[in-house]
Amino acid sequence: SQTIHQWPATLVQPVGSPLSLECTVEGTSNPNLYWYRQAAGRGLQLLFYSVGIGQISSEVPQNLSASRPQDRQFILSSKKLLLSDSGFYLCAWISGSTPNEQFFGPGTRLTVL
Amino acid sequence: AQSVAQPEDQVNVAEGNPLTVKCTYSVSGNPYLFWYVQYPNRGLQFLLKYITGDNLVKGSYGFEAEFNKSQTSFHLKKPSALVSDSALYFCAVRDMRSGYSTLTFGKGTMLLVSP
Repeated sequence: SQTIHQWPATLVQPVGSPLSLECTVEGTSNPNLYWYRQAAGRGLQLLFYSVGIGQISSEVPQNLSASRPQDRQFILSSKKLLLSDSGFYLCAWISGSTPNEQFFGPGTRLTVL
Repeated sequence: AQSVAQPEDQVNVAEGNPLTVKCTYSVSGNPYLFWYVQYPNRGLQFLLKYITGDNLVKGSYGFEAEFNKSQTSFHLKKPSALVSDSALYFCAVRDMRSGYSTLTFGKGTMLLVSP
């Protein structure tokens, strides 16, 4: 069966420090991968999506970037964190066999101080 | 662009009573609609979806949703609420952007079930 992992689960970082959040998917190949941010425990904002290795599209210009170095790995990064980057970051994927459903990872809680 | 609206920030019900969480949609073409549930500090879990077919869709944990085309609604329902159903519920619609598929989510409705 397919599973999705996110690391770390929680993170507290100072303003201006770098960021790297990792998402990995098991049990599937060539998934479409997504990064969402959930602020204040509410709505989800799509940040990035990727349809393949090295292919990244950004939905909202901001302080973050994404990379996909391997088929089942999706990384969210920042060179210098802002206070407004705090939130709950969710990775998701869609498989070719169920192209309409998105499956979500457990999330990473980021607090920028 | 496709969109969904969840008009209630919070819904309160007593355990054992029926519950309804409302969702309306605005789409061009046929809607693909979804419900997800989120427990505190967890990822979203898929509950059910409507793609085509019967207007009443049955999903996980005893939840169901009714697709109503004339009212552009997709309300989530359960005949008898449990305290453990307390969580944040999201309605979503499939959105096609530049040839790829994603989901556009509502702002969420907090369901609180009291003992």
